[in-house]
Amino acid sequence: SQQGEEDPQALSIQEGENATMNCSYKTSINNLQWYRQNSGRGLVHLILIRSNEREKHSGRLRVTLDTSKKSSSLLITASRAADTASYFCATDAGGNNRLAFGKGNQVVVIP
Amino acid sequence: EAGVVQSPRYKIIEKKQPVAFWCNPISGHNTLYWYLQNLGQGPELLIRYENEEAVDDSQLPKDRFSAERLKGVDSTLKIQPAELGDSAVYLCASSLGYRGLTDTQYFGPGTRLTVL
Repeated sequence: SQQGEEDPQALSIQEGENATMNCSYKTSINNLQWYRQNSGRGLVHLILIRSNEREKHSGRLRVTLDTSKKSSSLLITASRAADTASYFCATDAGGNNRLAFGKGNQVVVIP
Repeated sequence: EAGVVQSPRYKIIEKKQPVAFWCNPISGHNTLYWYLQNLGQGPELLIRYENEEAVDDSQLPKDRFSAERLKGVDSTLKIQPAELGDSAVYLCASSLGYRGLTDTQYFGPGTRLTVL
């Protein structure tokens, strides 16, 4: 069953702008992960944030986690056309690699 | 380093026919996962192997789906017989596999199945 729910489900921005997407989930988690999927390609792991962490950075990516609200956000700064993809959040409730994925955010970056 | 390899990339069959998908994980990865991804949805776990042992197959429809990972390396997922609703992308992923710990999953490109 799907655990996370991303918002907005579709986002269109100009190159250079920032893109922010949110994920809400229902049950307690051990960690939350974000993945990217380009058209016709497999998923690529972007970043993992543990339940005792509040914010994490990786390059142009910034992830926050609010366990009291059961939500996470992914910020992509200075977006590029190559960032056009679907972005999925995935929760790991037991810390045992059993991931529950959301439906995904479709992000289009216009050059 | 080679990534997760899946074949075929595309498969079109008629309903009631059997079909099989093959996955070769990243060398040295002990844990292997099969996911199903419907259009516009996120992946859903079908089965997870640690070496040759299926440790989580609760989401696998066992009446028509089967999987094996005999030598703890590559794996095959089979559907027999296929139904129209099985049309989807079947993704394979692997991870190093530290029992009880979280590690990054690496996904293959998937096999897109169309059942007519």
